Amino acid sequence: DTGVSQNPRHKITKRGQNVTFRCDPISEHNRLYWYRQTLGQGPEFLTYFQNEAQLEKSRLLSDRFSAERPKGSFSTLEIQRTEQGDSAMYLCASSLGSRTDLRNTIYFGEGSWLTVV
Amino acid sequence: GEDVEQSLFLSVREGDSSVINCTYTDSSSTYLYWYKQEPGAGLQLLTYIFSNMDMKQDQRLTVLLNKKDKHLSLRIADTQTGDSAIYFCAERRSGYSTLTFGKGTMLLVSP
Repeated sequence: DTGVSQNPRHKITKRGQNVTFRCDPISEHNRLYWYRQTLGQGPEFLTYFQNEAQLEKSRLLSDRFSAERPKGSFSTLEIQRTEQGDSAMYLCASSLGSRTDLRNTIYFGEGSWLTVV
Repeated sequence: GEDVEQSLFLSVREGDSSVINCTYTDSSSTYLYWYKQEPGAGLQLLTYIFSNMDMKQDQRLTVLLNKKDKHLSLRIADTQTGDSAIYFCAERRSGYSTLTFGKGTMLLVSP
């Protein structure tokens, strides 16, 4: 399977605990994105990396959230001191960004469901 | 996602055509995308259209773009029960690498 891989697929945690999600992008994709999706809503952008550099962060990404992509391959998204409002599906996506290829088609993983109780 | 608007629900009978509509606000959008999401799953890219195109056809899917009115539509011919899902319209604005999504249209196909 050469698609975007995310784990764990489901996580239930108690309020105040920390959680970490991992994303493995499509091989050779240099761009990696994190989105959040709540029930009845479309995905909302959180942050994106080009290689190991975090180039953009949304206002949704509070200081309890941190994302890393240390070697420009897989990425982790950590949420500290989780709150019930953090319950959502966290989607990872990747693309092969290029100045000569404006399509920058973005492919999504299956998502990681977080439930904070 | 409020910058991209979609009707929330569409119900059709199997074999009919489905038309899902989307309006967007940023005239600088370069590419517009349609994604499909089945229950509990991630997003599957269906098709996309470049902003200098009016129409794109891909098997049962036809995308129409009216750039003047900032209106995008997805037509699914011969709709099947397996097409039941939520369909998201997304825009990629000029100078940005990320996508802005609508809230999605739930398509229900009845036999």
